[in-house]
Amino acid sequence: QKEVEQDPGPLSVPEGAIVSLNCTYSNSAFQYFMWYRQYSRKGPELLMYTYSSGNKEDGRFTAQVDKSSKYISLFIRDSQPSDSATYLCAMSGEAAGNKLTFGGGTRVLVKP
Amino acid sequence: EAGVVQSPRYKIIEKKQPVAFWCNPISGHNTLYWYRQNLGQGPELLIRYENEEAVDDSQLPKDRFSAERLKGVDSTLKIQPAELGDSAVYLCASSLHPGELFFGEGSRLTVL
Repeated sequence: QKEVEQDPGPLSVPEGAIVSLNCTYSNSAFQYFMWYRQYSRKGPELLMYTYSSGNKEDGRFTAQVDKSSKYISLFIRDSQPSDSATYLCAMSGEAAGNKLTFGGGTRVLVKP
Repeated sequence: EAGVVQSPRYKIIEKKQPVAFWCNPISGHNTLYWYRQNLGQGPELLIRYENEEAVDDSQLPKDRFSAERLKGVDSTLKIQPAELGDSAVYLCASSLHPGELFFGEGSRLTVL
């Protein structure tokens, strides 16, 4: 079993819908939780960075962390065709050697 | 500010041939990473540098892969000899803070 599990999708939604993405993990040492967006043939770019449990909002993006359930989520409101990409969750922690472990990514397609 | 620069973007080689990838991180970023990303999967860490020191190379296949980071700035990743299974995208990233990685566009390797 992988340390970080993520549904590969693809997830197809109409423009304007809410996109809901999530990851589960098994290593309780993870403290920092990130979401990266990766366009085709590009490197990943950091979208959201959260520490421990709770919510964080940045524009149309909301990240949630539930450490008790080992479950993190990313919500994209008012989705746009330009949001079509692969979304990767990633996590690390000092007790995990500060090694960043990625999920496999979820491919999202927002249709106009 | 310039981002992480990688070259070459694409490389096609015959198996058993050598190949090298070069990375120039963001100025001032002490931490440099090399990741490998297979199609449809998340990036997997090969090696992490803090300045010139390789602090995590546990996932680097040392029989054929080598890396160096001279003067704590640029880095090269070498594969010799390449195998069919090495076909992947090799991503370089740099960071100031754990988890906040900035990636280059990657070097796509095809081994025939």
